[in-house]
Amino acid sequence: AQKVTQAQTEISVVEKEDVTLDCVYETRDTTYYLFWYKQPPSGELVFLIRRNSFDEQNEISGRYSWNFQKSTSSFNFTITASQVVDSAVYFCALSGLEYGNKLVFGAGTILRVKS
Amino acid sequence: NAGVTQTPKFRILKIGQSMTLQCTQDMNHNYMYWYRQDPGMGLKLIYYSVGAGITDKGEVPNGYNVSRSTTEDFPLRLELAAPSQTSVYFCASSTGTGVAYNEQFFGPGTRLTVL
Repeated sequence: AQKVTQAQTEISVVEKEDVTLDCVYETRDTTYYLFWYKQPPSGELVFLIRRNSFDEQNEISGRYSWNFQKSTSSFNFTITASQVVDSAVYFCALSGLEYGNKLVFGAGTILRVKS
Repeated sequence: NAGVTQTPKFRILKIGQSMTLQCTQDMNHNYMYWYRQDPGMGLKLIYYSVGAGITDKGEVPNGYNVSRSTTEDFPLRLELAAPSQTSVYFCASSTGTGVAYNEQFFGPGTRLTVL
């Protein structure tokens, strides 16, 4: 079955600390896509990144970086030098043929960045 | 572009009442989705549509109905509201030839309480 696990329910850090949000997935598909979404306190969901299963290169976008490792079925998200504006709920999601190419979301990780 | 808009933002229903949650997108996306977000549970797909006139069930369709008469609109109908339907509802849309490949754009959500 297709499943996404975000084991960290809540993380609190002090501003400027680095923080890594873990995401572990399960799927029988060989072709699949992984996503990260951010949900700030205002409630909307904001797309951050999409990764396909054939591209294991790490990606960096400003203070954000993503580490995709097929060997451990993980797609972790790191925020460097965290800021208060990074406080949000972060969702990891998976899409693959096993679930009809629909998105399966993890339960989310609440990140609190304190000044 | 307004993106994905949802109305209302908040609603309180009594058990047994019915209502329609409205969703409109102006990006000419073929794919549209309805999710519900329960606390600590991530998002679960209720219904989705791959184009006007075509809808299909997601993971948690019971108690809901949808229609898609135009590309822009995808209303979600609750016929007999139950307390278990208390949740935040998100509408989303995406483009492309397959849902696995493209980011979904989300509306701001509707917070529904059934008492």
